[in-house]
Amino acid sequence: DGGITQSPKYLFRKEGQNVTLSCEQNLNHDAMYWYRQDPGQGLRLIYYSQIVNDFQKGDIAEGYSVSREKKESFPLTVTSAQKNPTAFYLCATSGAGGFRELFFGEGSRLTVL
Amino acid sequence: AQSVTQLGSHVSVSEGALVLLRCNYSSSVPPYLFWYVQYPNQGLQLLLKYTSAATLVKGINGFEAEFKKSETSFHLTKPSAHMSDAAEYFCAVSYSGGYQKVTFGTGTKLQVIP
Repeated sequence: DGGITQSPKYLFRKEGQNVTLSCEQNLNHDAMYWYRQDPGQGLRLIYYSQIVNDFQKGDIAEGYSVSREKKESFPLTVTSAQKNPTAFYLCATSGAGGFRELFFGEGSRLTVL
Repeated sequence: AQSVTQLGSHVSVSEGALVLLRCNYSSSVPPYLFWYVQYPNQGLQLLLKYTSAATLVKGINGFEAEFKKSETSFHLTKPSAHMSDAAEYFCAVSYSGGYQKVTFGTGTKLQVIP
C-alpha cells in the first residue's frame, strides 16, 4: 500500500533524553514536513524538506533536528533542549508541481515523564 | 501573511441535523483552501479543497464548502449529520508557488448527539 508510515505510535521518554521519530513514505513525493499538534493550537510546522539533503526550519524548530538523506525518509529528533516536548507529532508529504495537498501519517504521540 | 480563523472550538449537532463549521481566512494573494478531518489519535485526511475553479466544492462523505471571496469565508457544511462524522475538523490556507506553506486553523471538534 502506498502511504506514510510513522513509528513509533506511542513513545515515552524521560527528561533529558533525545528521541527520534521515524517517517517513511512510498508515495514518491518530493516534499516532507513535520508538524506538532497540541490541543486547541492546531498544527504548527517544525521543519520541512523539499529535496534530499536540504531542509528548512518551520515556525517552531527550536529543540528539534531533522535529516533528509533519502527521498523516502525524514526522521525527526526531539532533543533535550525542547522544553515542552509532550505532543502529537505528524509527518506529511506533498507531491511536485502546482497546487499540492498534504498527505499525513498516523502520527506519533510523545510523552515525557 | 496568511491566517485562518475557525469559529467555535466545539460544535454539537443532533444526528440528522445540518452541520455548519465556520472558517474565515486572511491572505494577501488568491488562496488555496482546504478542509481536513482528524479522528482520535490519527493523522489528517483531506475532505475537500478549493483551488480557484468552482466556488462550491464537494468533498468526501457528503461534505461541501463554498468559497466566498467577499466574506473571506470557506464554511464547511453537510445537510445531515451522521454519528461517524464526530471528529475534529481543520481549515487550512495555502497559495501557489515555491514552497507550499500551509497555515492551519485551531480546529473544531464536532460532536454528534444521537
